[in-house]
Amino acid sequence: DGGITQSPKYLFRKEGQNVTLSCEQNLNHDAMYWYRQDPGQGLRLIYYSQIVNDFQKGDIAEGYSVSREKKESFPLTVTSAQKNPTAFYLCASSGKATSGRAGEQYFGPGTRLTVT
Amino acid sequence: AQSVAQPEDQVNVAEGNPLTVKCTYSVSGNPYLFWYVQYPNRGLQFLLKYITGDNLVKGSYGFEAEFNKSQTSFHLKKPSALVSDSALYFCAVRDRGSYQKVTFGTGTKLQVIP
Repeated sequence: DGGITQSPKYLFRKEGQNVTLSCEQNLNHDAMYWYRQDPGQGLRLIYYSQIVNDFQKGDIAEGYSVSREKKESFPLTVTSAQKNPTAFYLCASSGKATSGRAGEQYFGPGTRLTVT
Repeated sequence: AQSVAQPEDQVNVAEGNPLTVKCTYSVSGNPYLFWYVQYPNRGLQFLLKYITGDNLVKGSYGFEAEFNKSQTSFHLKKPSALVSDSALYFCAVRDRGSYQKVTFGTGTKLQVIP
């Protein structure tokens, strides 16, 4: 799982509560990503950030928010507006697009969120 | 828009036999193509990628993949499967024009039978 940490590994919340998932990397990567993984649906992009203080919506951003105040950190908040928040959440990072490793993403171990 | 298709939800192969996991893609320009592997309750690990050059790409753990531009395919292969290869495999594509955004397939579960 490289130099990316996600915490906690398992998270349980009551419906209606916001929850923040942590993602930290020590790879000095510019780009960071959040994906949601559901059985049979692969990975779906929630948000991504190419540089500090900048981020873009992915394919399923509704009900989620992010911040990128530091290069190393890209926390994801799952808000009460997200209709089906129970899922496995994966954070990833990648180096410069012009580098030889362009496009290669390094993933954290994931956080499994259960909302009841 | 870019997309990836992995037509098989699951592939079963006997240990020692060759394996193939299929992937086709669609992009507007020339693609960057990737294969990742995921073990249960873990993040994804990079296996190999095609950027340019030789159509046969070699990667980690004895895996290789063949880029076929005319068929827009990037199938993952291994000459002799191991039980430890059993995992979920994802194909991914990135258009060279889309800055860092990668699209993943839905994944194929590989089961290697002892």
